[in-house]
Amino acid sequence: EAQVTQNPRYLITVTGKKLTVTCSQNMNHEYMSWYRQDPGLGLRQIYYSMNVEVTDKGDVPEGYKVSRKEKRNFPLILESPSPNQTSLYFCASSKERGEEIGEQFFGPGTRLTVL
Amino acid sequence: QKEVEQNSGPLSVPEGAIASLNCTYSDRGSQSFFWYRQYSGKSPELIMFIYSNGDKEDGRFTAQLNKASQYVSLLIRDSQPSDSATYLCAVREVTGGGNKLTFGTGTQLKVEL
Repeated sequence: EAQVTQNPRYLITVTGKKLTVTCSQNMNHEYMSWYRQDPGLGLRQIYYSMNVEVTDKGDVPEGYKVSRKEKRNFPLILESPSPNQTSLYFCASSKERGEEIGEQFFGPGTRLTVL
Repeated sequence: QKEVEQNSGPLSVPEGAIASLNCTYSDRGSQSFFWYRQYSGKSPELIMFIYSNGDKEDGRFTAQLNKASQYVSLLIRDSQPSDSATYLCAVREVTGGGNKLTFGTGTQLKVEL
């Protein structure tokens, strides 16, 4: 089954404790992206990757890191989480070519709470 | 900062009616336009995309694009209670670093029995 998986689905942590949210897709997509979703603010892009070893900042990259060492995986790293990073996070992937970039498949989401 | 604007709603329509959802965007260079549906607590799912001016129909859904007015809309005919969700408009632009999707904040649709 074609899908994007994220882990963990739910996480409660404390300020300053490093964490990683994993994202994996089995569709051989070149493009992967991380979003956060907050009430009233919609989906905001954190980082995206056009292919292996190619990453770029989205609209809200501060406090986050990513890496793309393999085509299927795109982990999101919070080196020192803060309460303002409490949010619902989505990973998404799509083909990179042309219009298909917009036909993104989303993972199930990770609800993160930073105390 | 490129912007995609949607009325947050809620938009309430009776079952069987036509629901009309609207979206405006600021970047004239935007090339592709997408409508996603998101149920509460779930991830967004793509329902329609449109690239050219005019209408595009898919079942009960019609997307309308007017690039001159920087306006894209989604019509849902014969609305059903299962259509109750938040509808996200997304716009693709080509930047120096590649392609980028910008989402609106979404319009909440409620279809009432």
